[in-house]
Amino acid sequence: EAGVAQSPRYKIIEKRQSVAFWCNPISGHATLYWYQQILGQGPKLLIQFQNNGVVDDSQLPKDRFSAERLKGVDSTLKIQPAKLEDSAVYLCASSLVMGLGSGDNEQFFGPGTRLTVL
Amino acid sequence: QQPVQSPQAVILREGEDAVINCSSSKALYSVHWYRQKHGEAPVFLMILLKGGEQKGHDKISASFNEKKQQSSLYLTASQLSYSGTYFCGTERGTSYGKLTFGQGTILTVHP
Repeated sequence: EAGVAQSPRYKIIEKRQSVAFWCNPISGHATLYWYQQILGQGPKLLIQFQNNGVVDDSQLPKDRFSAERLKGVDSTLKIQPAKLEDSAVYLCASSLVMGLGSGDNEQFFGPGTRLTVL
Repeated sequence: QQPVQSPQAVILREGEDAVINCSSSKALYSVHWYRQKHGEAPVFLMILLKGGEQKGHDKISASFNEKKQQSSLYLTASQLSYSGTYFCGTERGTSYGKLTFGQGTILTVHP
């Protein structure tokens, strides 16, 4: 079974530029998550999709970050304009179901995109 | 609110045991445990549901004390491959799968 795919793996940009990340979840997984992981910290949820609808985006800085999941499959996360503090690894994860500890909602993570903002 | 993990770091020799704790000030529905090796994605270990369940996976097991809102991860007879950063992710009853991760515990196993 193919895992969660992400691209690019690395990106270096200057502040105020824009950048986009792409994620393709495991086939059949209805729930997709975008996390930001700053060096030395745990992943922080930015946005959660159930199919193509947003479930939670309470921690997404909406003045500069946007995300979409058209057709309920792959997803794109965009930052415009980028700031120095956006330097982090952006992880995409997917799960089969979205439930309350159903035992089936383990999250499978992609390899991440390491973003450096200069 | 972010769960608190302890200790922040632990160093072991092969064959030694370790316990990592994860505490929350909020009522939890479940706790997820992940291991992340340097430069890699987090890998799922197990889910603990409320009710004081205990689970095991090879020589790694975990428990969830609902009264204390605390989960513990037990690593017995540690192997070199256990090295990495361990994260707990907590799920609340109203969060529909949303996990809040702790700051991580760095585990280093030496030969």
